[in-house]
Amino acid sequence: GAVVSQHPSRVICKSGTSVKIECRSLDFQATTMFWYRQFPKQSLMLMATSNEGSKATYEQGVEKDKFLINHASLTLSTLTVTSAHPEDSSFYICSARDYHGETQYFGPGTRLLVL
Amino acid sequence: RKEVEQDPGPFNVPEGATVAFNCTYSNSASQSFFWYRQDCRKEPKLLMSVYSSGNEDGRFTAQLNRASQYISLLIRDSKLSDSATYLCVVNKDTNAGKSTFGDGTTLTVKP
Repeated sequence: GAVVSQHPSRVICKSGTSVKIECRSLDFQATTMFWYRQFPKQSLMLMATSNEGSKATYEQGVEKDKFLINHASLTLSTLTVTSAHPEDSSFYICSARDYHGETQYFGPGTRLLVL
Repeated sequence: RKEVEQDPGPFNVPEGATVAFNCTYSNSASQSFFWYRQDCRKEPKLLMSVYSSGNEDGRFTAQLNRASQYISLLIRDSKLSDSATYLCVVNKDTNAGKSTFGDGTTLTVKP
């Protein structure tokens, strides 16, 4: 199946710093990528839809100025958590789907811990 | 009401048991349907797509009933390795549209 990578896999940072997470589709071009967040023992929550070459579409309640998304190429989307706070600590997962596909392929996720 | 609802679980079954999970969706215009499994502290992985004609992959059988807006997953001869959370996923559009995830049903298979 398609492969999606994420980097870094784990981040520990101090409150107030910004953290960038990269999501790459390794063997296909992804016109659309999705960013999710999952708190312990809770379901995946879609944060935003990232479209190559255009602005991301954010879900209700997700601050676009706090969670900056850039999808500059067909194989790379980045999520930057700006001025991270302890409540931003979570499991962030990206997924990618090419134009012809119905299936989403997930990256391995990034665990963010903000101290 | 949630767009996608699953059995709350958890399901605790012995090895070899048959277990069935149910999922209902509220949007009748939904186009495609999937089951994913998610292991603890890992990303979701596609288990199988779900078609109106039903589909089977080894010990796993998925069914879709569009009239009742209902999806099911049947696991036969459960293995210890089947222990995971199973996510029902519904797409409103066939391409590029976002997916809606159920909250998941946790299965624990015990020896």
